[in-house]
Amino acid sequence: DSGVTQTPKHLITATGQRVTLRCSPRSGDLSVYWYQQSLDQGLQFLIQYYNGEERAKGNILERFSAQQFPDLHSELNLSSLELGDSALYFCASSVTTGPEKLFFGSGTQLSVL
Amino acid sequence: GENVEQHPSTLSVQEGDSAVIKCTYSDSASNYFPWYKQELGKRPQLIIDIRSNVGEKKDQRIAVTLNKTAKHFSLHITETQPEDSAVYFCAARGRYKLSFGAGTTVTVRA
Repeated sequence: DSGVTQTPKHLITATGQRVTLRCSPRSGDLSVYWYQQSLDQGLQFLIQYYNGEERAKGNILERFSAQQFPDLHSELNLSSLELGDSALYFCASSVTTGPEKLFFGSGTQLSVL
Repeated sequence: GENVEQHPSTLSVQEGDSAVIKCTYSDSASNYFPWYKQELGKRPQLIIDIRSNVGEKKDQRIAVTLNKTAKHFSLHITETQPEDSAVYFCAARGRYKLSFGAGTTVTVRA
């Protein structure tokens, strides 16, 4: 167990819908990272938050947004869902400001039908 | 970071043999290179990492080498065992993000 908690484990929804993925980092970790993993794209970096502030942005679509709350948990919001958004979404956390020694959660498997 | 290429995409080895996975990166400012192991249906787990001021690092049967001039680094697994079967990802740190290679599926044949 990495100490990073993600909920839900599975999510099935329809195109056009909106979903929220939740992540609780390891105790003491201030950085949270979101990654998307699909078969043909590997692990794609979406966004990073450090102590409540957005720190870095990757290949995140405008339909997607995230935030980190004062208790350091983070949520990834995906809206106007498309079939191609089906993927495994990982959250990771680290104690550092930069992306080193990331600990991954078990992921949320999103299926858009 | 930025563009990280990983080879081979699949690797099948006999139990007890060695496995080598190679990666190249494009960002000359990259200074941190971790390797992650992902078993089927599980999360990626950090197995070893190396910084740019070190040329080689070893942890039991796993070793990583780094050639900064050529911008490539490699993972070596010796005396492979069935539990080494997994997908392995290399990564390189840019200023703000960790870029991953596409992964290598390693199968250890008994």
